[in-house]
Amino acid sequence: NAGVTQTPKFRVLKTGQSMTLLCAQDMNHEYMYWYRQDPGMGLRLIHYSVGEGTTAKGEVPDGYNVSRLKKQNFLLGLESAAPSQTSVYFCASRLGTGVNIQYFGAGTRLSVL
Amino acid sequence: AQSVTQLDSQVPVFEEAPVELRCNYSSSVSVYLFWYVQYPNQGLQLLLKYLSGSTLVKGINGFEAEFNKSQTSFHLRKPSVHISDTAEYFCAVSDGTSGTYKYIFGTGTRLKVLA
Repeated sequence: NAGVTQTPKFRVLKTGQSMTLLCAQDMNHEYMYWYRQDPGMGLRLIHYSVGEGTTAKGEVPDGYNVSRLKKQNFLLGLESAAPSQTSVYFCASRLGTGVNIQYFGAGTRLSVL
Repeated sequence: AQSVTQLDSQVPVFEEAPVELRCNYSSSVSVYLFWYVQYPNQGLQLLLKYLSGSTLVKGINGFEAEFNKSQTSFHLRKPSVHISDTAEYFCAVSDGTSGTYKYIFGTGTRLKVLA
């Protein structure tokens, strides 16, 4: 009964370091999304995927890369972290075509010093 | 492009009082609307959704919302709030014409229920 699982839950990086956030879903969903949440700005879409092997840019993609090598996993990478990337990152997944509900993970809190 | 406006960033209300959280969206041919709740240090949980049909939708925890196409609004209401309703509430719209059904979120309303 895991749903959408994000790892790690917390991370502190120094400017210029790299890291990968992992999102895993066990619901056989086709669509997966990465958002960032900043105070007063709601959630903004970074990248998304409509199926295994596909990725697409969202609203705020700069400074991030993603990969969807397996259907159940969606990775978000920061190649050279910047303080502006300090945020809470949420992953979500959705079943497929048509209007389905997005299910969210618990989030990853990232601080870049 | 689709947009969502939540005019109230914070709403304080006393326990057992009614509350309305406002959400307005920009017009679109076909639109689907959602309210999510985020409790402290947790992810987002779906409260309710409007896809089609009856304009009054009921969700979990006693919340309901009314879709008003002419006013492009989807306000969230609860007749009597509890301390446990203290959380941040997000309105979201999904545009059915894009094919990807991406969500556009509002900036959130922080509901503070006072004893």
